[in-house]
Amino acid sequence: AQKITQTQPGMFVQEKEAVTLDCTYDTSDPSYGLFWYKQPSSGEMIFLIYQGSYDQQNATEGRYSLNFQKARKSANLVISASQLGDSAMYFCAMREGDTGRRALTFGSGTRLQVQP
Amino acid sequence: SQTIHQWPATLVQPVGSPLSLECTVEGTSNPNLYWYRQAAGRGLQLLFYSVGIGQISSEVPQNLSASRPQDRQFILSSKKLLLSDSGFYLCAWSGRRGFTEKLFFGSGTQLSVL
Repeated sequence: AQKITQTQPGMFVQEKEAVTLDCTYDTSDPSYGLFWYKQPSSGEMIFLIYQGSYDQQNATEGRYSLNFQKARKSANLVISASQLGDSAMYFCAMREGDTGRRALTFGSGTRLQVQP
Repeated sequence: SQTIHQWPATLVQPVGSPLSLECTVEGTSNPNLYWYRQAAGRGLQLLFYSVGIGQISSEVPQNLSASRPQDRQFILSSKKLLLSDSGFYLCAWSGRRGFTEKLFFGSGTQLSVL
């Protein structure tokens, strides 16, 4: 079974509008972290935002916020006031457990295109 | 501050040739290290991770291998490349505090096997 599912292969958004990128996850571990990364065409992976399974509030980082719905096992990324530079691939990822030894498991990604 | 170096940036190799990709981390000690591969337009697949010198865990059986000869050096190798080894290879590191630790990635190596 897929650990991380991103059901939107591609998304379009108008500049200055908000957009939501979907992510659902599957784990039976009570301790886990959820991450979003941005990958522009250059290939670098840029960390955007983190949400821990025990966090009571949704994470926010500037124009990025994470809509964390634990019961639904979803961790959607919301980008407000989209900019042309937001055009990129976006990956949702998860790390399970307390050891910190395990790597992140990534979803298949969503390609976001911001239109002027 | 911590930095991660990965080289080369691009590589074109014939089928059957050997491979060596190197990754080094600066500014931190005893990091967890990772090798990921990304096929074109796809997500990241974990290949190997290491929690210490000489300690390598393999996630996917293949003709690739990894080694960690020094604390902050991680090497990805192959004795004979296959066409299916083509892809974008990313090295990453993280701290050890637990599941909250994010990964920091290198700039990647685009490998084309012809």
